[in-house]
Amino acid sequence: DAGVIQSPRHEVTEMGQEVTLRCKPISGHDYLFWYRQTMMRGLELLIYFNNNVPIDDSGMPEDRFSAKMPNASFSTLKIQPSEPRDSAVYFCASTGQYNSYNEQFFGPGTRLTVL
Amino acid sequence: AQKITQTQPGMFVQEKEAVTLDCTYDTSDPSYGLFWYKQPSSGEMIFLIYQGSYDQQNATEGRYSLNFQKARKSANLVISASQLGDSAMYFCVLRVGYQKVTFGTGTKLQVIP
Repeated sequence: DAGVIQSPRHEVTEMGQEVTLRCKPISGHDYLFWYRQTMMRGLELLIYFNNNVPIDDSGMPEDRFSAKMPNASFSTLKIQPSEPRDSAVYFCASTGQYNSYNEQFFGPGTRLTVL
Repeated sequence: AQKITQTQPGMFVQEKEAVTLDCTYDTSDPSYGLFWYKQPSSGEMIFLIYQGSYDQQNATEGRYSLNFQKARKSANLVISASQLGDSAMYFCVLRVGYQKVTFGTGTKLQVIP
């Protein structure tokens, strides 16, 4: 399996622009997670889905952030409008009930820079 | 509420020596899981080892072992025979319920030749 795939790997944009991050989970996994990592706040869970349905979005910082999972193989995290404080590495992870320990498999991350 | 604490922001270890990375946690739920992940400078998150709250024995995976002391609510990671490639950030993670996880702040380990 190719693992969790994220695109783009790097994104540089200007304040006010819309940013869309993409994730393809491992085939067969029914849980998908979005995280944000910054030096100041560490790794934060933003939202997670089960069977394409959002289960817990309490970590989403504000209304500028939205996430969707239209099907089992694709999810997006959108920031509109983006702000410099959104600069971070965004990780997508997936897991399934048939994993040995329900461990999460992480994608390589998207490094977002908002100027 | 769940809490996970890693009190060592950074550590050094001599190559080939063993090192212990500390992790304490707090939860009132009797069923939980503890994970350790490694994040090298390249940025990816790599799963290392898992301990379930009902597991009777400490988990081991190759050179990694987890010193699980349930009464003290600690889950320290022990890396034996350190290698230069072990230099990375290490995160302790608590899972309560089916998928809600909390990450610690991490320990940066540097292995000295």
